[in-house]
Amino acid sequence: GNSVTQMEGPVTLSEEAFLTINCTYTATGYPSLFWYVQYPGEGLQLLLKATKADDKGSNKGFEATYRKETTSFHLEKGSVQVSDSAVYFCALLPGAGNMLTFGGGTRLMVKP
Amino acid sequence: DAGVIQSPRHEVTEMGQEVTLRCKPISGHDYLFWYRQTMMRGLELLIYFNNNVPIDDSGMPEDRFSAKMPNASFSTLKIQPSEPRDSAVYFCASSLGRTFSYEQYFGPGTRLTVT
Repeated sequence: GNSVTQMEGPVTLSEEAFLTINCTYTATGYPSLFWYVQYPGEGLQLLLKATKADDKGSNKGFEATYRKETTSFHLEKGSVQVSDSAVYFCALLPGAGNMLTFGGGTRLMVKP
Repeated sequence: DAGVIQSPRHEVTEMGQEVTLRCKPISGHDYLFWYRQTMMRGLELLIYFNNNVPIDDSGMPEDRFSAKMPNASFSTLKIQPSEPRDSAVYFCASSLGRTFSYEQYFGPGTRLTVT
């Protein structure tokens, strides 16, 4: 079956630090990959996506590259801000089907 | 665009009572999803609809849970009878299907507390 594994949090960083949140997946075929972000008290919002191998998704300074050879989609940001504090979810959509499979989420806390 | 609308935002009820959660998807979206989020189990897909028809309800925990979508602009998730272990945040999401980048738009959630 399909599965997504994320690094456990919380991840605590100082403002302007470099961020990496690891995500690996297991899936048959050619899934699409996503990062969603959940701010406190809100629903999930799509942050970025990649639909095929070697694609790089980017948004708001965040980036992730679809690596088929390592089945990974790690989220990175060069300089985090306090406003980036949230829970980040990695997810995959299989090549056939409409059901997203989410990872467990990683809480990021950025301190000033 | 108002986004996905859920009501109520908070619900506190006693064990054994019936609970109904409501969702209005984004106009024009043809897929609707119900999720449950807890600390212990994370984010779980309960059921999803396509064009108002339930497609996969394998995530519905048990017969106490039921979901309907009588028309394209309204869906309900009902728990009867409710139990304390049903306490969670329930999210509704909608999307325009595979053709348009598969993005799911989530509502703000309903926080359910069953005492």
